[in-house]
Amino acid sequence: EAQVTQNPRYLITVTGKKLTVTCSQNMNHEYMSWYRQDPGLGLRQIYYSMNVEVTDKGDVPEGYKVSRKEKRNFPLILESPSPNQTSLYFCASSFYTGGRAEAFFGQGTRLTVV
Amino acid sequence: AQTVTQSQPEMSVQEAETVTLSCTYDTSESDYYLFWYKQPPSRQMILVIRQEAYKQQNATENRFSVNFQKAAKSFSLKISDSQLGDAAMYFCAYRSKSFGNEKLTFGTGTRLTIIP
Repeated sequence: EAQVTQNPRYLITVTGKKLTVTCSQNMNHEYMSWYRQDPGLGLRQIYYSMNVEVTDKGDVPEGYKVSRKEKRNFPLILESPSPNQTSLYFCASSFYTGGRAEAFFGQGTRLTVV
Repeated sequence: AQTVTQSQPEMSVQEAETVTLSCTYDTSESDYYLFWYKQPPSRQMILVIRQEAYKQQNATENRFSVNFQKAAKSFSLKISDSQLGDAAMYFCAYRSKSFGNEKLTFGTGTRLTIIP
């Protein structure tokens, strides 16, 4: 089954404690992204990757890091989380070929930083 | 930069009736993709319908159809014969076709309630 898998689905942590949210896709997609969803703001892109070792900033990259060492994995790293990073996070992988376009989203990670 | 606006934070409709969710966007590009995503209480993001800007024909998927007005930069979603399972947050999204522009730009969402 084609899917994007995020872990964990829920996470409560304390300010300053480094954490990693994992994301893995089994569709061999080149493109992967991270978004955060906040009430009244919709989803905003944090980082994206167009292929292995190729990453770039989205609209709200401050406080986040990513890496793409393998095509299937795209972890999101918060080295020193702060309460303003409390949010719902989504990983997505996508393809855009031959006129077709679709993004597949993970199940979401609800992060609370206290 | 592109922007997407959904001016209706909340909508409600009687079961079996028709409802239209509005979306406008701003771009200087001539070719792009537009999408509607559904987010039920499970939080999963589900693609409802997609439209390519160069295609004049409005996309349809069963009870879901769009009214794409390129000149007006409008992309509304019509849901016919509304069902209880249609209750969700709906997001309109834009994606450029430019190479290297890997971003979906989302609106702020419309929460749809179905009244039994």
